[in-house]
Amino acid sequence: DAGITQSPRHKVTETGTPVTLRCHQTENHRYMYWYRQDPGHGLRLIHYSYGVKDTDKGEVSDGYSVSRSKTEDFLLTLESATSSQTSVYFCAISHSRGPTQYFGPGTRLTVL
Amino acid sequence: LAKTTQPISMDSYEGQEVNITCSHNNIATNDYITWYQQFPSQGPRFIIQGYKTKVTNEVASLFIPADRKSSTLSLPRVSLSDTAVYYCLVGDEGESFNRKLIWGLGTSLAVNP
Repeated sequence: DAGITQSPRHKVTETGTPVTLRCHQTENHRYMYWYRQDPGHGLRLIHYSYGVKDTDKGEVSDGYSVSRSKTEDFLLTLESATSSQTSVYFCAISHSRGPTQYFGPGTRLTVL
Repeated sequence: LAKTTQPISMDSYEGQEVNITCSHNNIATNDYITWYQQFPSQGPRFIIQGYKTKVTNEVASLFIPADRKSSTLSLPRVSLSDTAVYYCLVGDEGESFNRKLIWGLGTSLAVNP
């Protein structure tokens, strides 16, 4: 399995609080992605990065920001969490911008 | 914009061959078609990818017709541990750098004893 870790693995927070999720890779892959997975919606791309300090929006980016200051770390921030952001968040990595990706174990976030 | 369609669920029995088809149109002409497996509480796991015709690895086979409007994941002699959700992933047509990747909604496969 690709060396991808996510932290925390579980988090419960309250509406309006900021939350940061971390993805760390040891594979030196150029591309990193943040997805959310919800019943009935499958996997939806939030943001992705194609290099240090290079990021772009996905299909559900509203309410989320990202940062990548090092190749190995990709942070996802919810500036002010809402209940609609309760979800399972997955980080993924890939060599190139394509459909072959490797996923982390996920973070289950609950916003009360 | 590309779109994918997969059956929502399938049932099978141990030892049988299972074929899951994903229909996809308007996909990138130079991208692989990729399939993933996901167990509960885990991230999706890459199974197999192909460009056209047939690809086989130790886990599965993937059949892609010449028009690339569909792909079929074939799992030979399934076991209980193959119970999972299976996703197809394709690239949308367009500029390769910013092209959108389109996930299917997944097929929940239940393997029964």
